[in-house]
Amino acid sequence: RKEVEQDPGPFNVPEGATVAFNCTYSNSASQSFFWYRQDCRKEPKLLMSVYSSGNEDGRFTAQLNRASQYISLLIRDSKLSDSATYLCVVSLMDTGRRALTFGSGTRLQVQP
Amino acid sequence: DAMVIQNPRYQVTQFGKPVTLSCSQTLNHNVMYWYQQKSSQAPKLLFHYYDKDFNNEADTPDNFQSRRPNTSFCFLDIRSPGLGDAAMYLCATSRDGYQPQHFGDGTRLSIL
Repeated sequence: RKEVEQDPGPFNVPEGATVAFNCTYSNSASQSFFWYRQDCRKEPKLLMSVYSSGNEDGRFTAQLNRASQYISLLIRDSKLSDSATYLCVVSLMDTGRRALTFGSGTRLQVQP
Repeated sequence: DAMVIQNPRYQVTQFGKPVTLSCSQTLNHNVMYWYQQKSSQAPKLLFHYYDKDFNNEADTPDNFQSRRPNTSFCFLDIRSPGLGDAAMYLCATSRDGYQPQHFGDGTRLSIL
């Protein structure tokens, strides 16, 4: 089983739609959680951190469910510019390994 | 202003000819990472430095080496590139390994 799993998509949605992505992680000791966005042939960029209480940044809402070991990202009122790959990222504090584990990403295509 | 700078943006080398990719940072972060990313795949961690401590991933080929002569710079050396090493190479930094990572623009490596 992969450490971080995401539905690869693609998710094809019309402008203005609401779309949700889920991500599951295998290690219950995982500590930090993030969503990154990656445009084609560009570097990943931090979209938002994910906190236990859930957090919102404009049209984006992230939630964490530790009991079920999944993270979600909700995008409301989708824009064409939201088209990208969304990477779920998890940090595991074990044996001093200070590294993040990336999911393989979910591709979103917002259509006019 | 770019905070994680990778050079060059594009690198073409010959099969078997050693190549070095460079990364510098102005963030004074303790941790620097090298990732390999191939098309439609998640970034794959090759290794990382926490200060001067080198951490190699178990499945990173011996062909890949790294140097961190000081806090600001980190190099990726590919001793004998094969066709399968053609990829985007991403450098990232983190304050302590648990905070979000900041990525450079990447170096796209092609092998002739």
